[in-house]
Amino acid sequence: EVQLVESGGDLVQPGGSLTLSCAVSGFTFRSHWMSWVRQAPGKGLEWVASIRPDGSARYYVDSVRGRFTISRDNTENSLFLQMKDLGAEDTAVYYCARLMGWTTIYDYWGRGTLVTVSS
Amino acid sequence: AIRMTQSPSSFSASTGDRVTITCRASEDIGRSLAWYQQKGGEAPKLLIYDASTLESGVPSKFSGSGSGTDFALTVSSLQSEDFASYYCQQYSAYPVTFGGGTKVEIK
Repeated sequence: EVQLVESGGDLVQPGGSLTLSCAVSGFTFRSHWMSWVRQAPGKGLEWVASIRPDGSARYYVDSVRGRFTISRDNTENSLFLQMKDLGAEDTAVYYCARLMGWTTIYDYWGRGTLVTVSS
Repeated sequence: AIRMTQSPSSFSASTGDRVTITCRASEDIGRSLAWYQQKGGEAPKLLIYDASTLESGVPSKFSGSGSGTDFALTVSSLQSEDFASYYCQQYSAYPVTFGGGTKVEIK
């Protein structure tokens, strides 16, 4: 059974930093593109970042580029999102999601972890 | 970025109803469209991709149609487990973008 479990969400002050983790199981992690997608309270879904299976290429939405870093550890079947210079606009539930093959279709998602940026 | 507009944003329906949700893209995306279902507090679930291909394990009561800029998700007969939010997503161009969602509530 495919499972993605996010962790690391917390209440953080504006300007602060946080690292999210996603532990995966049930599939060959090193063979899949992975992404982070977020959902602000009461809002729709927003793609945040994606990473190639071997970690050699990373892509970001403009609003987080330079502040967020996506990474992965294929030996530990884990995906990460390092976030810095956080602002209120980053408050959201962050989902870890697997991409279907070499498409940008998300075929499996975690339940998400909540990041709240507030003083 | 391509803007995805869903309508309606929410509506009420009864068990057994046939319902249709629409999604419009701000430019031609061919058939590069997916639909997801999300129930409160749960992970989104892929229902349909390539506009009309049913994901494995998804009941055939769900169907998708459309191409270019106009798309639709239809549920042929609503059941209790189908009351949820639904999102469309285009993957024709980076960045991938999602619609604002449609919440289907019980009448």
